[in-house]
Amino acid sequence: SAVISQKPSRDICQRGTSLTIQCQVDSQVTMMFWYRQQPGQSLTLIATANQGSEATYESGFVIDKFPISRPNLTFSTLTVSNMSPEDSSIYLCSVSRAQETQYFGPGTRLLVL
Amino acid sequence: GQQLNQSPQSMFIQEGEDVSMNCTSSSIFNTWLWYKQDPGEGPVLLIALYKAGELTSNGRLTAQFGITRKDSFLNISASIPSDVGIYFCAGPIGNAGNMLTFGGGTRLMVKP
Repeated sequence: SAVISQKPSRDICQRGTSLTIQCQVDSQVTMMFWYRQQPGQSLTLIATANQGSEATYESGFVIDKFPISRPNLTFSTLTVSNMSPEDSSIYLCSVSRAQETQYFGPGTRLLVL
Repeated sequence: GQQLNQSPQSMFIQEGEDVSMNCTSSSIFNTWLWYKQDPGEGPVLLIALYKAGELTSNGRLTAQFGITRKDSFLNISASIPSDVGIYFCAGPIGNAGNMLTFGGGTRLMVKP
């Protein structure tokens, strides 16, 4: 497994602003991912954070709205840009060493007013 | 895309009862994962299944990888209040198999 931390743990933001969420892992990992969990819903993959190159986004998610950085093998950021109330969700990062098994951070709870 | 259908959506049981939930797909999966999400936390991996027919236990939890590779179930025996949470099944997707798709979740509530 891995020890994963996220900052901030929660935030309340005004519409039109942007928030950057950080994900830190205690050891180097091959893969890092970002998920969104809307209220009462399951997890939806936003993108795969690639070290040293642009993230790979899933259908329905774009770089302009959710820019992602991954400068090294232990750290990644997700920015939620130009926020609206519909962006209120839990944002989760996950990491993987083995091909299929992923471990999740505690999540960032975002409320947009 | 590949979808995982998880049932039931929610369960409200008495402490001490056994619980069973399952996950089905129209597509074959080579791995099944079961996660639990406590309120206010991220999902935690409970059990990973890698082989059709495999039956794996983790304490009071038992999960099985269906023979057809299109389903899996999770059983919890003698439930306790700390079993409360949302249980998700998940399976790998994508060419490299390193992304996950999740079921809709089963919300478990346990009455002491």
